[in-house]
Amino acid sequence: EAQVTQNPRYLITVTGKKLTVTCSQNMNHEYMSWYRQDPGLGLRQIYYSMNVEVTDKGDVPEGYKVSRKEKRNFPLILESPSPNQTSLYFCASSLIGTGSSYEQYFGPGTRLTVT
Amino acid sequence: SQELEQSPQSLIVQEGKNLTINCTSSKTLYGLYWYKQKYGEGLIFLMMLQKGGEEKSHEKITAKLDEKKQQSSLHITASQPSHAGIYLCGADIVSGNTPLVFGKGTRLSVIA
Repeated sequence: EAQVTQNPRYLITVTGKKLTVTCSQNMNHEYMSWYRQDPGLGLRQIYYSMNVEVTDKGDVPEGYKVSRKEKRNFPLILESPSPNQTSLYFCASSLIGTGSSYEQYFGPGTRLTVT
Repeated sequence: SQELEQSPQSLIVQEGKNLTINCTSSKTLYGLYWYKQKYGEGLIFLMMLQKGGEEKSHEKITAKLDEKKQQSSLHITASQPSHAGIYLCGADIVSGNTPLVFGKGTRLSVIA
């Protein structure tokens, strides 16, 4: 089954304790992305990756890191989480073509609470 | 600034009524996507529109992209409780394979 998986689905942590949210897709997609969703602000992009070893900042990259060492995986790293990073996080992937638009497939979300 | 504006922000309709949600951009839309999200859950892809004037339907949901490719509407006919959720539009606003931008969403409630 074609899917994007995220782990963990729920996480409660404390300020400053490093954490990683994993994201994996099994569709051989080149493009992967992380979003956070907050009430009243909608979906905002954190980082995206056009391909392996290519990552770029989105709208709200501060406090986050990503890596793309393999095509299927795109982990989101919070080196020193703070309460303002409490949010619902989504990973997404899509197939990249030339000049065409493709559907983004979304993971189920990770609800992170930083106390 | 918000590049995609959705309206209304929230909507409460009686079961069986029709409704329309709009998504407007100040820039040309090269691809327009509609997603539905159950509260606190993942996004479910509904439809993608690319051509000006294009219209697609799935069950009781119809989406259109206007000729100028700067506005899309999502219309639900004879709404049901299963239609409740948050509807998000996402778009490619630059030609080529660039990241999607999203509207803030429209929260739909359907009451009996």
